[in-house]
Amino acid sequence: GEEVAQTPKHLVRGEGQKAKLYCAPIKGHSYVFWYQQVLKNEFKFLISFQNENVFDETGMPKERFSAKCLPNSPCSLEIQATKLEDSAVYFCASSLRAEDTQYFGPGTRLTVL
Amino acid sequence: KQEVTQIPAALSVPEGENLVLNCSFTDSAIYNLQWFRQDPGKGLTSLLLIQSSQREQTSGRLNASLDKSSGRSTLYIAASQPGDSATYLCAVSGTDYKLSFGAGTTVTVRA
Repeated sequence: GEEVAQTPKHLVRGEGQKAKLYCAPIKGHSYVFWYQQVLKNEFKFLISFQNENVFDETGMPKERFSAKCLPNSPCSLEIQATKLEDSAVYFCASSLRAEDTQYFGPGTRLTVL
Repeated sequence: KQEVTQIPAALSVPEGENLVLNCSFTDSAIYNLQWFRQDPGKGLTSLLLIQSSQREQTSGRLNASLDKSSGRSTLYIAASQPGDSATYLCAVSGTDYKLSFGAGTTVTVRA
């Protein structure tokens, strides 16, 4: 597609439950980035992929967060045993090459109660 | 660690006035700089991307300049309109390509 698609739009989970978010990058884009927006404008990089390979995972809290980008499937970000502080908007972005413009999806708002 | 600062945090201008938004970053070893617009409850819309080797980029009423050595970028929006009301975010990437964001400037254009 011509836009980055993210599902679901909203997700509500009880503390300790699992959450799984999906991202379909723009067709033909090789790079996918995940960012977490907490509070109003504080963005945190989580992980990036080059096709199905992890490119940079320095921002991932590895004990509970995992992500995949498999061929012919949407990319996914999974949070095991969610915590209150995981409440945020999670954005996915894609780019044709690593150095190109990153195009953002509409985000998934995760609320952990 | 890259720190990105945007000043002012908020700006209110009458329609027709030119807007000047400032962005500064601490590590000049950047690969590129992007300006985004975010409307309330929405995703980010890319406005302009400036490569580190460039001094400015223009798109319609938007012009962005980059002074890498001093760690500064400025976004100019000419002849502002109420539809320009939004939060404008500056983000820089290093050789790892991940974006470091500023906190944004919230712009209100009064009709």
